[in-house]
Amino acid sequence: GQSLEQPSEVTAVEGAIVQINCTYQTSGFYGLSWYQQHDGGAPTFLSYNALDGLEETGRFSSFLSRSDSYGYLLLQELQMKDSASYFCAVRDRGYQLIWGAGTKLIIKP
Amino acid sequence: NAGVTQTPKFQVLKTGQSMTLQCAQDMNHNSMYWYRQDPGMGLRLIYYSASEGTTDKGEVPNGYNVSRLNKREFSLRLESAAPSQTSVYFCASSEVKGTNEKLFFGSGTQLSVL
Repeated sequence: GQSLEQPSEVTAVEGAIVQINCTYQTSGFYGLSWYQQHDGGAPTFLSYNALDGLEETGRFSSFLSRSDSYGYLLLQELQMKDSASYFCAVRDRGYQLIWGAGTKLIIKP
Repeated sequence: NAGVTQTPKFQVLKTGQSMTLQCAQDMNHNSMYWYRQDPGMGLRLIYYSASEGTTDKGEVPNGYNVSRLNKREFSLRLESAAPSQTSVYFCASSEVKGTNEKLFFGSGTQLSVL
């Protein structure tokens, strides 16, 4: 079957760096996406990796290793507003995005 | 720009009642989606529409029907609501650049079926 695995919860301190991992097992692969969702809100797009390596967008970076079926989201200089759930998603051989169950990021002052 | 507009925001139904969730996007996107999200879980695809006039089943289509009325609008209908359909529903449209697909979501509908 197809699956994406990510930790259910991660805790970090304001100002620190945190990494959220995602491993996937899918039929085909056309890229790994990350979305952020605040409590009560809708998911919003953060980043996308189609090729191996690191993509940087401000305080957020996303990494992909296709040979390891693995990626991560790196958040730097954490702010309280970064407290949210983060979802990885893979576009597989079909037309659908396969979603992970989400990682709840808890930030402590 | 409004982006993706989804109505209603909240709805309470009794078992067996029917309702339609409305969704419209103003970004001229071809693809539109309906997802449900249950507590502590990721998004599960109910139906999607790759273009005007086409619809396809996703992971959890049972108990739902959809209509792609035109390029802007994609509605989701529950013909006979069941408590198992209590969930948060999100409509989305997507922008595709190369192989990158970026989804834009509506604000969601919290549905309770009693």
